[in-house]
Amino acid sequence: QQNVQQSPESLIVPEGARTSLNCTFSDSASQYFWWYRQHSGKAPKALMSIFSNGEKEEGRFTIHLNKASLHFSLHIRDSQPSDSALYLCAVNPNYKPTFGKGTSLVVHP
Amino acid sequence: EAAVTQSPRSKVAVTGGKVTLSCHQTNNHDYMYWYRQDTGHGLRLIHYSYVADSTEKGDIPDGYKASRPSQENFSLILELASLSQTAVYFCASSDGWGTSAETLYFGSGTRLTVL
Repeated sequence: QQNVQQSPESLIVPEGARTSLNCTFSDSASQYFWWYRQHSGKAPKALMSIFSNGEKEEGRFTIHLNKASLHFSLHIRDSQPSDSALYLCAVNPNYKPTFGKGTSLVVHP
Repeated sequence: EAAVTQSPRSKVAVTGGKVTLSCHQTNNHDYMYWYRQDTGHGLRLIHYSYVADSTEKGDIPDGYKASRPSQENFSLILELASLSQTAVYFCASSDGWGTSAETLYFGSGTRLTVL
């Protein structure tokens, strides 16, 4: 069974900071990697995904994937108060998307 | 944007009672999923389905049944509700996972409280 771990559990940063969230997985056959964002009281919503080793940038958000290290990360540049949310990483083994426990991010003005 | 609708939005049930949570999607997606969310546990997969009239066990299926009578509808059934099943339940759909690598679209969730 896939084991997905996220760190840190929670993070408080000032507005404008660069924020880094981490995710490790156990199944080296995993092919697809996602970050979801969940604002308080709302449904999770897909933020970004990556399918091959390397880096992918979309606006202020960047994903890094290193399959050999079983690790991927999300970096947020110029963090905004609206980025305050629970961030969930997800990995797919065998058609069963598995999520980490999440990182709670608070960006204070 | 894909639409997934869950009902009810919240429910209070008694221990030992039967609870049915419903999910309806209008996206023509093949895959549907039920997750539960508890503080400190993220999202855990209960059951999923990739075709009507067939369901598969997820990572925590004990105490739950699922039903997929049509492509659009997917229900989660708690035959004998227990206190430990108090949680927020999310339904999701996707056009496929793995080789299709499609996004999961979530419903707004059902907050279930078992007393």
